[in-house]
Amino acid sequence: AQRVTQPEKLLSVFKGAPVELKCNYSYSGSPELFWYVQYSRQRLQLLLRHISRESIKGFTADLNKGETSFHLKKPFAQEEDSAMYYCAPVPDTGRRALTFGSGTRLQVQP
Amino acid sequence: GAGVSQSPSNKVTEKGKDVELRCDPISGHTALYWYRQSLGQGLEFLIYFQGNSAPDKSGLPSDRFSAERTGGSVSTLTIQRTQQEDSAVYLCASSLYGGSGLAGTDTQYFGPGTRLTVL
Repeated sequence: AQRVTQPEKLLSVFKGAPVELKCNYSYSGSPELFWYVQYSRQRLQLLLRHISRESIKGFTADLNKGETSFHLKKPFAQEEDSAMYYCAPVPDTGRRALTFGSGTRLQVQP
Repeated sequence: GAGVSQSPSNKVTEKGKDVELRCDPISGHTALYWYRQSLGQGLEFLIYFQGNSAPDKSGLPSDRFSAERTGGSVSTLTIQRTQQEDSAVYLCASSLYGGSGLAGTDTQYFGPGTRLTVL
């Protein structure tokens, strides 16, 4: 069965500390992988996607097909990074809708 | 340009009543999605429209839920005989193509959601 796992419900770090939000998936084929973010009182929005290999707001995510992971990382967390983060794979066949992980709330303390 | 809009922003209803939630996608987007965000369930897919194809209804939790998309644009999600467990934030998203192309799956743009409370 297709499944995406974000093991941490809450991750609390201090400003300037490194951050890693974990995401593991169990999908057949070669899914595309996305990270979406929801800041307080804002709508859900795309943070980054693995196919573009870009860094957004200092975040990067490396797809590890061997470990079936797509962890989100940032070397120095900022207070404005505090938000809810969702890992979301899209299968390469069939339905193109996102399947979201349960989400990780990142709290960056001053 | 305008993003995805949804109405109403909040809806309070009594158990057993029917409700209609509306989504206006970004103009020109061919794909439209409905998701539900509830406590304890996270974000879950409900239904997906792609152009003139038959919608993918595989995520609808029961036959009390239905959705239509008129003229390839506005969509309405209808919940009949609402139950307390239907209380959630209902999110709509649209994307330009919906499928994968040379650039991969295109980005989904989300609306602000409709918060439904069933008393």
